[in-house]
Amino acid sequence: AQRVTQPEKLLSVFKGAPVELKCNYSYSGSPELFWYVQYSRQRLQLLLRHISRESIKGFTADLNKGETSFHLKKPFAQEEDSAMYYCALLWISSGSARQLTFGSGTQLTVLP
Amino acid sequence: EAQVTQNPRYLITVTGKKLTVTCSQNMNHEYMSWYRQDPGLGLRQIYYSMNVEVTDKGDVPEGYKVSRKEKRNFPLILESPSPNQTSLYFCASTQGTSGGPNTGELFFGEGSRLTVL
Repeated sequence: AQRVTQPEKLLSVFKGAPVELKCNYSYSGSPELFWYVQYSRQRLQLLLRHISRESIKGFTADLNKGETSFHLKKPFAQEEDSAMYYCALLWISSGSARQLTFGSGTQLTVLP
Repeated sequence: EAQVTQNPRYLITVTGKKLTVTCSQNMNHEYMSWYRQDPGLGLRQIYYSMNVEVTDKGDVPEGYKVSRKEKRNFPLILESPSPNQTSLYFCASTQGTSGGPNTGELFFGEGSRLTVL
């Protein structure tokens, strides 16, 4: 069965330090992975998707099929990066519906 | 402004009193979905709809109903709420492509915080 695992519920780093939010997935098909972010008092929104291979707000994420991982990285964290981050997997159900499954989320706090 | 709108944003109710959380999107999206967000559990899908009159269960459908009579609306119905349905609920939608009605890029509402006493 498909599953998304984010092992860290809470992560704190100092401003300017590198940050890595871990995401591992389990899926027998061809995965499409996403990162969503929820800033305080704002809607959950898409941060980036692996097929775009782009950097958003300094964040990047590389899909590693061998390790079944899609870790989110930023070389120099900023205070405004403090938020809840969700990793998500797009998969195809037995009924051919494309479904999005989310991990349990990681609350990132960037300290001054 | 293109958006997903949920109402009410906050609601306190009592066990057994039927309630409906409305969700409306103005982007002509085919796919709509309801999630609940609980600490440590992340976002779990309750129901989804790939188009008008097409709905299906997600991971945690027990105690909920939905309907999709119009493309823009996807209400979540709690016929007899119980305290374990106290949660933060999110509605989301996305436009389809030739690959299917869900691109993975969901647009979320602001959330509805429900407390069942």
